[in-house]
Amino acid sequence: DIQMTQSPSSLSASVGDRVTITCRASQDISTYLNWYQQKPGKAPRLLIYGASSLQTGAPSRFSGSGSGTDFTLTISTLQPQDFATYYCQQCSAVPLTFGGGTTLVIK
Amino acid sequence: QVQVVESGGGLVKPGGSLRLSCAASGFSLSDYYMSWFRQAPGKGLEWVSYISSGSGYTHYTDSVKGRFTISRDNAKNSLYLQMNSLRAEDTAIYHCARARRALAAADAFDIWGRGTMVTVSA
Repeated sequence: DIQMTQSPSSLSASVGDRVTITCRASQDISTYLNWYQQKPGKAPRLLIYGASSLQTGAPSRFSGSGSGTDFTLTISTLQPQDFATYYCQQCSAVPLTFGGGTTLVIK
Repeated sequence: QVQVVESGGGLVKPGGSLRLSCAASGFSLSDYYMSWFRQAPGKGLEWVSYISSGSGYTHYTDSVKGRFTISRDNAKNSLYLQMNSLRAEDTAIYHCARARRALAAADAFDIWGRGTMVTVSA
């Protein structure tokens, strides 16, 4: 199975900050990497697919980069509604696997 | 409106069975890979199973193989997850989700339901 390792697991930041979350795959997954946002009690929301493509409807302050084994999600200017948990997911091979999540909290 | 809505969760004893349903609207479920994911209380997301568009071949995570069966009813535009021999570790919110692209392999999942809670406890 492909292991996905996210860091940090928790991140404290302020509105207006630029934040970066990293995700590492245990083997080469090309660009089969997605990022999801989840708020408490809500369904996950797809933000980025194919490592760097912005999903329709996702704000442009979200961006993704990387290929192979190392990936990043960047939020350029944090907004109050961005405080949530973020997950990376690989769709290169079954079983589909997720990172452990990064919880973004208000400083 | 494109959406999926899960139902069928509840409290069941270890060893029991439950059938989850996912009703799709605004799109034809048979044109998309469809998947079940789950999230144990306070934990992260875990993929459970998917069914392909067209021929409907299926895949499962190892921990549910032989116990869970994914299926779909195209006429009802619904997805199902039959869960047998349930264990305490199956306790979770189960989400149904649609793959991003029609008639193509699943590269991401863009439509998710809010989920249905399954609790396995004596």
